[in-house]
Amino acid sequence: KAGVTQTPRYLIKTRGQQVTLSCSPISGHRSVSWYQQTPGQGLQFLFEYFSETQRNKGNFPGRFSGRQFSNSRSEMNVSTLELGDSALYLCASSWNRGGPGETQYFGPGTRLLVL
Amino acid sequence: AQSVTQLDSQVPVFEEAPVELRCNYSSSVSVYLFWYVQYPNQGLQLLLKYLSGSTLVESINGFEAEFNKSQTSFHLRKPSVHISDTAEYFCAVSVAGNTGKLIFGQGTTLQVKP
Repeated sequence: KAGVTQTPRYLIKTRGQQVTLSCSPISGHRSVSWYQQTPGQGLQFLFEYFSETQRNKGNFPGRFSGRQFSNSRSEMNVSTLELGDSALYLCASSWNRGGPGETQYFGPGTRLLVL
Repeated sequence: AQSVTQLDSQVPVFEEAPVELRCNYSSSVSVYLFWYVQYPNQGLQLLLKYLSGSTLVESINGFEAEFNKSQTSFHLRKPSVHISDTAEYFCAVSVAGNTGKLIFGQGTTLQVKP
């Protein structure tokens, strides 16, 4: 079974632009979570989607948004990019309802560089 | 609120030596505990997790971790490390009601030297 895939793998943008990242979960997985990884702040939870509904959200500004499609694929969008948004963005999928004990399977990430 | 502290940012060790990566957590409710590993330029892979039952959990590649509720710890151990174990290791917790959210520690870089 194919793992979690993320596209693109690398991205360079300039301040003020917006960006959309894509995540395809493992087939059959219905919960998708997004994380931001930076050297300074570590791994931080952005949001989680299940059945096209955002069920949980981390402490990020409204410039960070996401959505999930009926096939469970998910996108996240960052508008008005800032230098501090440079990070590795990871998505993870889990089998059922994204419950606390479920294993999250991570994709390789999208590395975003904002200049 | 929950938090995770990994006490060592870097752990250098020689090949075939034992290693312990320390993890402490803070939570007022019951938690589920995870260890993930991240190799360079890759995403995270689950090493092992504790949900309930036996406090000692093992992975297929020789790592083990012990849940200690009184000390709120979940330290990761391996009796003999290999060069290929060089990676960054993350301890994480999740709690009921906080759907889809893992709270991670800052990570520990394990550097295995020949």
